[in-house]
Amino acid sequence: GAGVSQSPSNKVTEKGKDVELRCDPISGHTALYWYRQSLGQGLEFLIYFQGNSAPDKSGLPSDRFSAERTGGSVSTLTIQRTQQEDSAVYLCASSLVSTGRDSNQPQHFGDGTRLSIL
Amino acid sequence: SQKIEQNSEALNIQEGKTATLTCNYTNYSPAYLQWYRQDPGRGPVFLLLIRENEKEKRKERLKVTFDTTLKQSLFHITASQPADSATYLCAQGTGRRALTFGSGTRLQVQP
Repeated sequence: GAGVSQSPSNKVTEKGKDVELRCDPISGHTALYWYRQSLGQGLEFLIYFQGNSAPDKSGLPSDRFSAERTGGSVSTLTIQRTQQEDSAVYLCASSLVSTGRDSNQPQHFGDGTRLSIL
Repeated sequence: SQKIEQNSEALNIQEGKTATLTCNYTNYSPAYLQWYRQDPGRGPVFLLLIRENEKEKRKERLKVTFDTTLKQSLFHITASQPADSATYLCAQGTGRRALTFGSGTRLQVQP
């Protein structure tokens, strides 16, 4: 498909388990972002990739969260030892690289992974 | 830290009227503002981008304004339709390439 693809679409797991969330960006988009959205809330930035490197990971809430990107394409967000407060929708977006001092490229989002921690 | 504020209360309007949504920002003055639409269970979809030196931007029934003095952007949908019902998100870049989003305003257009 032409859009951003995320998998799984839903994930239910027990507290303390590890989870992996996957994002396939639009081909040719070198910038990739992970956000988190809790019920009724706005999007919370987690991490930004430019190619395979992450120049900004300031939004990761704890060291239980990590992400990687390989081949300048697929990205995986891993949450270790999940807690109930990790329950949210995890959204991935990709874009062309912005120029200038601010983000001036539209971001293209997947439909997210709905993560529920029991 | 940078904040984007949108009216968290739902906006209910009658079909055919103009909907106006407000986005206010503090501190950092963005070079660009972006507006997105989000439907339940879906990711946000990009609608419009406006630059700080543009007062107004239009696309079909949509119009966005950007007032750097008031630190405010207004988003208008003219001749609104029930299919326009969704949550609308305002976002700005903060220099680090990722976007800071407001919490969104839910629009409900009554037939």
